[in-house]
Amino acid sequence: DAGVTQSPTHLIKTRGQQVTLRCSPKSGHDTVSWYQQALGQGPQFIFQYYEEEERQRGNFPDRFSGHQFPNYSSELNVNALLLGDSALYLCASSLGRINYEQYFGPGTRLTVT
Amino acid sequence: KQEVTQIPAALSVPEGENLVLNCSFTDSAIYNLQWFRQDPGKGLTSLLLIQSSQREQTSGRLNASLDKSSGRSTLYIAASQPGDSATYLCAVDSSASKIIFGSGTRLSIRP
Repeated sequence: DAGVTQSPTHLIKTRGQQVTLRCSPKSGHDTVSWYQQALGQGPQFIFQYYEEEERQRGNFPDRFSGHQFPNYSSELNVNALLLGDSALYLCASSLGRINYEQYFGPGTRLTVT
Repeated sequence: KQEVTQIPAALSVPEGENLVLNCSFTDSAIYNLQWFRQDPGKGLTSLLLIQSSQREQTSGRLNASLDKSSGRSTLYIAASQPGDSATYLCAVDSSASKIIFGSGTRLSIRP
């Protein structure tokens, strides 16, 4: 049983560019959440997708957007990249939106130069 | 607004010792609290999940407790091993704030 997978593993982009990160949830899970983790900090909640809709959002600007597909996989898009967007981006999946254990992927390390 | 704090930020102990990691939160209206382990540059591994109605959960050498009234959780690690070296994060799932993480405790076990 495959766990949560993310691609790519590492990514280097230039300021102003756009990036798309991908996540496949654990088998049987229908909810995907995205987090940003800066060096030395805990992960910060970006948003959650359930039934192909954004259900909750953290304090992130509209430059951060996402999508969930019918097979429950998800994408995170970031436009107009800033140096401060450099971080580890983590995807977590769960069965259900509320009060369920989350399982995390290995993350995508994004570096903006 | 839910805030989650983990103290200390770093801890170093000799192998074999029992140790306690602390997590505190400001809003007791939570669904659950989850403890994670993170190795450098890697994703998070779930260790224990405590529902709001529970007082503790155990898995092997790990025991997590939850006291909602005081806004505290502890992770107890028995007979520590060098392989336990990692950053330990707690996360609180509450209706208002979704999931909020602490900044973690970086644990180092000296052989």
